[in-house]
Amino acid sequence: DTAVSQTPKYLVTQMGNDKSIKCEQNLGHDTMYWYKQDSKKFLKIMFSYNNKELIINETVPNRFSPKSPDKAHLNLHINSLELGDSAVYFCASSQVPEGNQPQHFGDGTRLSIL
Amino acid sequence: SQQGEEDPQALSIQEGENATMNCSYKTSINNLQWYRQNSGRGLVHLILIRSNEREKHSGRLRVTLDTSKKSSSLLITASRAADTASYFCATDPPTLRHGSSNTGKLIFGQGTTLQVKP
Repeated sequence: DTAVSQTPKYLVTQMGNDKSIKCEQNLGHDTMYWYKQDSKKFLKIMFSYNNKELIINETVPNRFSPKSPDKAHLNLHINSLELGDSAVYFCASSQVPEGNQPQHFGDGTRLSIL
Repeated sequence: SQQGEEDPQALSIQEGENATMNCSYKTSINNLQWYRQNSGRGLVHLILIRSNEREKHSGRLRVTLDTSKKSSSLLITASRAADTASYFCATDPPTLRHGSSNTGKLIFGQGTTLQVKP
């Protein structure tokens, strides 16, 4: 069984469109994260939720809005997509929001903006 | 600015050889973790070392931490073709909190791409 699953795996869309990425974890973890990995493999935290509460909100454009309907799900909605949004987006989870906890990653959503 | 930086950026070795990757960071930390990323996949946690530990082993992996130099190394012994992947260090700075709890925020380096030739 996949522990952290993201859909879709690939997303190709036009500039200006709105799209969503879904993430679900079946590990019973309290904390979920969204990361962005650029073409140079640099991985940067975007958001983190603990038990449906937003606890990390990095300097991310307002066009990005996370939503956590329950602690097993953390979705990412992106409005008015721009060329610079092209990247791989990873969802992750950890048992609690502590830096001594391993994070479990999904396999990523490859977003390409045309 | 980026917290962790890996060195070298790329490493190519023959199967059976040892691979050493280094990570440097800029601020004090609580913990340091190493992750592996296979091509087209998500990151997989390998090992965690706490700031009061100097060395840790897990199977063929050996991690060292030198907090005075703000650096860590990951050694993979007797490498296999299946070890081909990118390896990232991630640090947990102690100052990041949200209210009364920690945030779990990790700061990743840019990774070392390891190729193990059969």
